[in-house]
Amino acid sequence: NAGVTQTPKFRVLKTGQSMTLLCAQDMNHEYMYWYRQDPGMGLRLIHYSVGEGTTAKGEVPDGYNVSRLKKQNFLLGLESAAPSQTSVYFCASSYHTGKSSYEQYFGPGTRLTVT
Amino acid sequence: AQSVTQPDIHITVSEGASLELRCNYSYGATPYLFWYVQSPGQGLQLLLKYFSGDTLVQGIKGFEAEFKRSQSSFNLRKPSVHWSDAAEYFCAVGERKTSYDKVIFGPGTSLSVIP
Repeated sequence: NAGVTQTPKFRVLKTGQSMTLLCAQDMNHEYMYWYRQDPGMGLRLIHYSVGEGTTAKGEVPDGYNVSRLKKQNFLLGLESAAPSQTSVYFCASSYHTGKSSYEQYFGPGTRLTVT
Repeated sequence: AQSVTQPDIHITVSEGASLELRCNYSYGATPYLFWYVQSPGQGLQLLLKYFSGDTLVQGIKGFEAEFKRSQSSFNLRKPSVHWSDAAEYFCAVGERKTSYDKVIFGPGTSLSVIP
């Protein structure tokens, strides 16, 4: 199993450009998440999905959109990138059954720089 | 609101020395508690978890953590540190929400190991 994969690994954008980050998992997990990681702030939840076709906002959703058209994929979009979105983005997934839903499996991350 | 604090931003230990990383949480009910490790350039990996029962939990890579309700703490320990343990460590608490099971991450503690 590949687990959770993310593409691309690195990206540099100019302010105002758009892009999509792709997350894929092969563990048949129901739940998927997008986080951003900034120094000294831990991980903050951007959006999450509890199943195919459903998405919801997390703590810091502004400036991002997501889609979950297939159970195994969770896409994160930036419509008009801003320097404040420079960060490392992590995708995660988990089961939905009881306590297992708290055990999240993480991808390797995407380092995004917006100039 | 639930929160997690890790008082130490950075810790340096010598290889072979013992290690304790501190974690304090704020949560009204019995918490679900986790420690994750992030090696450089990698995603987060679950080290151990506490749901209930024995307050001393064992994890992977020789780590253990002890839940102390009276101190609202869940400190991570290892008796003898190896150079490969150099990484970022995140404490986290699970919060039951109506729509999904939220995980709140602390800001992280960076561990350096001196050979």
